[in-house]
Amino acid sequence: QKEVEQDPGPLSVPEGAIVSLNCTYSNSAFQYFMWYRQYSRKGPELLMYTYSSGNKEDGRFTAQVDKSSKYISLFIRDSQPSDSATYLCAMRGAQKLVFGQGTRLTINP
Amino acid sequence: EADIYQTPRYLVIGTGKKITLECSQTMGHDKMYWYQQDPGMELHLIHYSYGVNSTEKGDLSSESTVSRIRTEHFPLTLESARPSHTSQYLCASSEPGAGGWNEQFFGPGTRLTVL
Repeated sequence: QKEVEQDPGPLSVPEGAIVSLNCTYSNSAFQYFMWYRQYSRKGPELLMYTYSSGNKEDGRFTAQVDKSSKYISLFIRDSQPSDSATYLCAMRGAQKLVFGQGTRLTINP
Repeated sequence: EADIYQTPRYLVIGTGKKITLECSQTMGHDKMYWYQQDPGMELHLIHYSYGVNSTEKGDLSSESTVSRIRTEHFPLTLESARPSHTSQYLCASSEPGAGGWNEQFFGPGTRLTVL
C-alpha cells in the first residue's frame, strides 16, 4: 500500500467552479502537509503548506488537514484557466517528502 | 535572482551511452535532491546530499550516481543508459527553516529518452 494516495484524475471543470483536490495517507508520523503545482514541462512549485491539523487560506486557495482521518484537501475557489496544472500533495515526516501521484486539472474557459 | 537550473532540458540518446545531467542552484542551499518522475506517477527520491562530499541513496533504487564537490552543483551520471532509464529527472534544493520546516525548490527537470 502506498503511503500517500491521490486520485490522478484527470479533472476538468468550467471556469469559476470550486475545485476540490484530495489525498489520503497512512503514516501518522507526517507533520507537514504540502500542495505543489506543476505546470506542463516545469518543475513543481510550492503552493501551500500546513503544519499538523487545521485550515490555511491564501487568496483563492484553502488547504485543509484532518489528521484524525488522515485526509488532506485543497480547495480552489473561482477557478481560472491559469489554474490548469497538475497538483501534487506531499507530506513530510522525519526527513523525507512523500508525494502523491498528482491530479491533472483543466479549467475550461 | 536565486534559482535552480537543470541542463539539458531534453535529451534523446542511444543505449549504452554515458550521460550526465547537470543541476546548479544559486541559493546557497546545503541540501540537494534528485527525483525521478514518470507520467501519472509520484516523484521518487533517488539521491540526496546534505552538503559538500555528502551523498546518499534515496528510496528508489537507481543505477545512477551523483557527486557533490561544490555546494551549488549536484550532477547525476548514468554510466550506460538503457531504455528503462527513460523518465523525467527533477533536481531540488532546500535549506532548514524554523520549526523543522524546509521548502524544497525544484528545477525545471530533464526529460531523458533512451532509445
